[in-house]
Amino acid sequence: AQSVTQLDSHVSVSEGTPVLLRCNYSSSYSPSLFWYVQHPNKGLQLLLKYTSAATLVKGINGFEAEFKKSETSFHLTKPSAHMSDAAEYFCVVTSDSGNTPLVFGKGTRLSVIA
Amino acid sequence: DAGITQSPRYKITETGRQVTLMCHQTWSHSYMFWYRQDLGHGLRLIYYSAAADITDKGEVSDGYVVSRSKTENFPLTLESATRSQTSVYFCASSETGTGPPYNEQFFGPGTRLTVL
Repeated sequence: AQSVTQLDSHVSVSEGTPVLLRCNYSSSYSPSLFWYVQHPNKGLQLLLKYTSAATLVKGINGFEAEFKKSETSFHLTKPSAHMSDAAEYFCVVTSDSGNTPLVFGKGTRLSVIA
Repeated sequence: DAGITQSPRYKITETGRQVTLMCHQTWSHSYMFWYRQDLGHGLRLIYYSAAADITDKGEVSDGYVVSRSKTENFPLTLESATRSQTSVYFCASSETGTGPPYNEQFFGPGTRLTVL
């Protein structure tokens, strides 16, 4: 069965410093992977997705993620954090299970300090 | 307005009552989904629908009922609400669903449900 682990429940960075949100996955096949962002009291919004094309994926708002099959990782990065990046981030992996087509990680809350 | 909307945004009810959460999308997406979000669990799928009159159970479907008579609407009903169903509920829609290509799911703003 597919699973996804977000290694940090909370990450705090200073404005202007790099962001790293870590995600490891397990899958019995070659999955697709996504990062979604959720701002307070809002629905989730897609940041980026990997679907077996280029392993370095660029998303919206300067975020990018690198798919590393050998490490089963899909970490999310951004060179310079903005205050507006403060939100909850979810790593998501596709599944071949009929009742869970997408498997969500438990989320990482990103705080940005001025 | 284009997009995906949910109503009500907030609901307080009592144990044993029936509650229906509404979801409406204007994109004519084939697939629609209901998730619940709880602290420490991320999002878990309750039900999904591939088209009008086609629905399938998700990971946590017990205690919930769905229908989809029209492509644009996907109501979720709690037949007899329990305290464990206190949660934030999200509806989502997508052009595709359970296989490649994995298109983006578009999420509504959520409904915060409290069962007393």
